[in-house]
Amino acid sequence: DVKVTQSSRYLVKRTGEKVFLECVQDMDHENMFWYRQDPGLGLRLIYFSYDVKMKEKGDIPEGYSVSREKKERFSLILESASTNQTSMYLCASREAGRTEKLFFGSGTQLSVL
Amino acid sequence: AQTVTQSQPEMSVQEAETVTLSCTYDTSESDYYLFWYKQPPSRQMILVIRQEAYKQQNATENRFSVNFQKAAKSFSLKISDSQLGDAAMYFCAWGGGSEKLVFGKGTKLTVNP
Repeated sequence: DVKVTQSSRYLVKRTGEKVFLECVQDMDHENMFWYRQDPGLGLRLIYFSYDVKMKEKGDIPEGYSVSREKKERFSLILESASTNQTSMYLCASREAGRTEKLFFGSGTQLSVL
Repeated sequence: AQTVTQSQPEMSVQEAETVTLSCTYDTSESDYYLFWYKQPPSRQMILVIRQEAYKQQNATENRFSVNFQKAAKSFSLKISDSQLGDAAMYFCAWGGGSEKLVFGKGTKLTVNP
């Protein structure tokens, strides 16, 4: 089975801190995604990457950046965390091709105090 | 821009009964794919079913089936013989010419014993 691993299930950070959320997949997938999930708003795409060192902005990229130096790892970076970035963050990966299903990690619940 | 609308924030069903979750979408593309994902309390998102827009036949996976009405841009999910394990958030998603998926806001399904 494909495994998408997010480094932390719960994370508490202070306002202004630089925060790294890590995601690793073990199936050599080309595409990786970062979503943010908030109650009543569903999943919103922050960034996605379709190859190493390649990235594209999603619908809500402001306040975030990403890094993909190796195919299996996709990092989400909050340069200066703010309270409105308190949320559930979901990483996903899939093979190239829009028919392919997404494989999700189990999410990181981030609280910014 | 593509949008996905789930008009039912919450639904409930009695165990062993049938329930239908609604989803509508808006797109100008003619070739696209639709998905239903399930997120149980464990937070692990799981693909339930997918439908290619060019196929007229509705997709079926065991107790899960869809009613795909392309002209109406409607993609509802029917769950037959509901089980306690079906209790979850259900998300409808659209995928078109790019690698991105657009998700709806979700429907919380409660299954009553």
